[in-house]
Amino acid sequence: QSILTQPPSASGTPGQRVTISCSGGSSNIGTNIVTWYQQLPGAAPKLLIQNDNQRPSGVPDRFSGSRSGTSASLAITGLQSEDEADYYCAAWDDSMNGVEFGGGTKLTVL
Amino acid sequence: QVQLVQSGAELKKPGSSVKVSCQASGGTFSLDTLNWVRQAPGQGLEWMGRIIPYFNSTIYAQKFHGRVTLIANESTTTAYMVLGSLRRDDTAIYYCASGGYYGLGTFQFDPWGQGTLVTVSS
Repeated sequence: QSILTQPPSASGTPGQRVTISCSGGSSNIGTNIVTWYQQLPGAAPKLLIQNDNQRPSGVPDRFSGSRSGTSASLAITGLQSEDEADYYCAAWDDSMNGVEFGGGTKLTVL
Repeated sequence: QVQLVQSGAELKKPGSSVKVSCQASGGTFSLDTLNWVRQAPGQGLEWMGRIIPYFNSTIYAQKFHGRVTLIANESTTTAYMVLGSLRRDDTAIYYCASGGYYGLGTFQFDPWGQGTLVTVSS
């Protein structure tokens, strides 16, 4: 079981806004920055959001991240079929002295 | 732009060890952090540890402490992950991923290698 909790699945129709939550604790999200990764089917993960809410070069502005207290969320607006993927949150955990990943959320575009 | 290229798939017997390589190009290998993450079939991501080649400094996830060794060769800009005492549940894709310049002090991974499938079976 992951220290960071994500819903196992999420879905939306093209053009919709979808949010994916990531719940943690004081030793991880409550203290350290959150990162989000996108993993397309059969591919390696890709950095999607860094430093809680910053998009690396090349990531569309449809993707945004936020962190508050011990939770974080990823929002996708104007949902597109190519957004169908697994999404993972991650953060350093001071108690575990390591990086913890959420269990992942499988996003389906209906 | 850093690029990471990993070695090919491995088939190992239980109790043996595996060594996966990750060759970096296009960056400052010695002062970057190289992380290893694995993904069992149909499962999520699991961080294993990281190395800073210049300092030969390593951090290992508690779960793998004592069973995994991270090595880096600065002359060939290649990092290695050695996992011993293999069990069937070590069957997974193993990824290397750059954490960027060590001075940033963050653990954010970009880019990732293509992954290496390690299958543990008798």
